[in-house]
Amino acid sequence: KAGVTQTPRYLIKTRGQQVTLSCSPISGHRSVSWYQQTPGQGLQFLFEYFSETQRNKGNFPGRFSGRQFSNSRSEMNVSTLELGDSALYLCASSHKTNEAFFGQGTRLTVV
Amino acid sequence: EDQVTQSPEALRLQEGESSSLNCSYTVSGLRGLFWYRQDPGKGPEFLFTLYSAGEEKEKERLKATLTKKESFLHITAPKPEDSATYLCAVQASFADSWGKLQFGAGTQVVVTP
Repeated sequence: KAGVTQTPRYLIKTRGQQVTLSCSPISGHRSVSWYQQTPGQGLQFLFEYFSETQRNKGNFPGRFSGRQFSNSRSEMNVSTLELGDSALYLCASSHKTNEAFFGQGTRLTVV
Repeated sequence: EDQVTQSPEALRLQEGESSSLNCSYTVSGLRGLFWYRQDPGKGPEFLFTLYSAGEEKEKERLKATLTKKESFLHITAPKPEDSATYLCAVQASFADSWGKLQFGAGTQVVVTP
């Protein structure tokens, strides 16, 4: 069974630009969550989508947004990039109360 | 506010030297506690889910236990391939929260031959 797929794996962007990251969950999983991982803050929850609806949101500014499509694939968008947005962005999919499975992440570098 | 604290921050072990990692938590109703392993530059790899105090789970050289306030990950006779960062996360029990995990900072484990 295929795992969680995130694309692209690596990105380099310039301050002020915007970026879109993609996540394809495990087949049958309807919940997709996004996390930001940095050396200083660790893994921090961004938001969760279930059946195309945002169900939870972490403490991040409005520049961070996301959406989920009818096939459960999800995208997250960061607008007006700042240097501090450089991080590993991780997507996890889960099914009801079962464990969350993570993708390999997208490494975003803002220069 | 939910909080997860892992200790120690780093652990250096000789091959075969058993040890334990600690995860203490405060959460308004625990739905589940999760252990993950993460290698550099990769996403966390699921290891265990624990749901209630007294529960134990084992996988190869790893054993996870849960009490009402903390969880332990025991590594028995570790090998160099067990070197990784081990992450603990909690999932609160209110109805719409099972997609949200609160993570600890992790314990970086290095096992030398």
